Formats: sequence, C-alpha cells, structure tokens
Amino acid sequence: ETGVTQTPRHLVMGMTNKKSLKCEQHLGHNAMYWYKQSAKKPLELMFVYSLEERVENNSVPSRFSPECPNSSHLFLHLHTLQPEDSALYLCASSQDPLAREQYFGPGTRLTVT
Amino acid sequence: GIQVEQSPPDLILQEGANSTLRCNFSDSVNNLQWFHQNPWGQLINLFYIPSGTKQNGRLSATTVATERYSLLYISSSQTTDSGVYFCAVPGGSGYSTLTFGKGTMLLVSP
Repeated sequence: ETGVTQTPRHLVMGMTNKKSLKCEQHLGHNAMYWYKQSAKKPLELMFVYSLEERVENNSVPSRFSPECPNSSHLFLHLHTLQPEDSALYLCASSQDPLAREQYFGPGTRLTVT
Repeated sequence: GIQVEQSPPDLILQEGANSTLRCNFSDSVNNLQWFHQNPWGQLINLFYIPSGTKQNGRLSATTVATERYSLLYISSSQTTDSGVYFCAVPGGSGYSTLTFGKGTMLLVSP
C-alpha cells in the first residue's frame, strides 16, 4: 500500500463510450499526476496538478480531460478514445510539484475496443 | 530533454544470486528514484537517492551524481523480486516532470 488508490483497476470500453478514472491519495500531498504506460514504452507524464490547479499538460489529446476537485482526488475523464489509447494509467502524488519523491497508485488497465 | 538509460534491459537470475542494475542520465539531477513494478502494474518506491548510498534489507542503491549514474544492488534474490525496475529523474518538458528509463525486466527463477 502506497497511500494512493485508483479505481477501477480494469476497464474495457468502446470507442464511443464515456468513462472516468478515479485516484485518491491519503498522504496529505499537494501535487497529483496522471501517467500513461504503454507496452514497450517508458512512462509518459500526462497531467500535473498542484493545489488543484493544472500546472502542466504534456500535449495530451482533448479526449482525455482531467479534473482535480481537491488536493486528495484526481479524475481522468475519457471520451471517444482510440484503440491506441489502451494502456496502464497510473496516478501519483508528491508533497509538492517540484518532482520530489512521487508515490504511485496501482493503476487502471484500460482496453479500448 | 534529459535522457535516462537503464541496463541491462533484461536479466534472468537463479534464486539466491546477486545482481547490479545501472541507470545513466544525461544531465545533472537533484534527485533520483528507483521503483519496482510488480506483475500487476503497481510501482513500489524503493529508494529516493539524489546522492550517496542507501540500504534497505537486501537492496541497496548508490548514486554518483557527478558521474551521472546510479546503481541498484539486489542481493540473495528471491522470486518475489521479479518485475521491472525503473529509475526516474526530474527533467523533460517541465520542472515537475519525472523522466523514466525504459526499465530492467528481472526474472528470478526458483
């Protein structure tokens, strides 16, 4: 247990569906992150939130829409995804957004059919 | 952006053997993390080690920041050590980015 939880753990969705991934951290951290891990590729940072404000967006397509209602919760809303979006989506948190020690959740394995 | 290279890409060990994993990075860094990703995808923090040496049980890590590399030592390996080991450093497109290496996939057989 790292103090970061993610739901669901597995998700299968069609290209026309809308779904959301949820992340919650119990560490009292101020920064939260979404990463994407595709097969045979390094982890890619998607979004960074610091104190509920988005501070970085690594040119992610608009079909991925993050939401951070408070410093403990982070969502990733998904709509009209493509099969190449199938991947492991990992949430992380850290005490501050200066890339100090990050703690990861267990991930959501997403399959787009 | 900063480049992170890990070696070897794959490693197969007999239970009880020792191993050394290496992480090279292309620019100065002020922190470095080692992670173990288990077969279910969970990334576990092993070490936060900007410099020097740390030990945790059978694992230890050394970072030589001036020479831009870090080593992860696994002694008396167990089957539960199997998985992918990543190192990550700050850098990339933004100040809050962690750049990951491609990882070393370790398989420990009984």
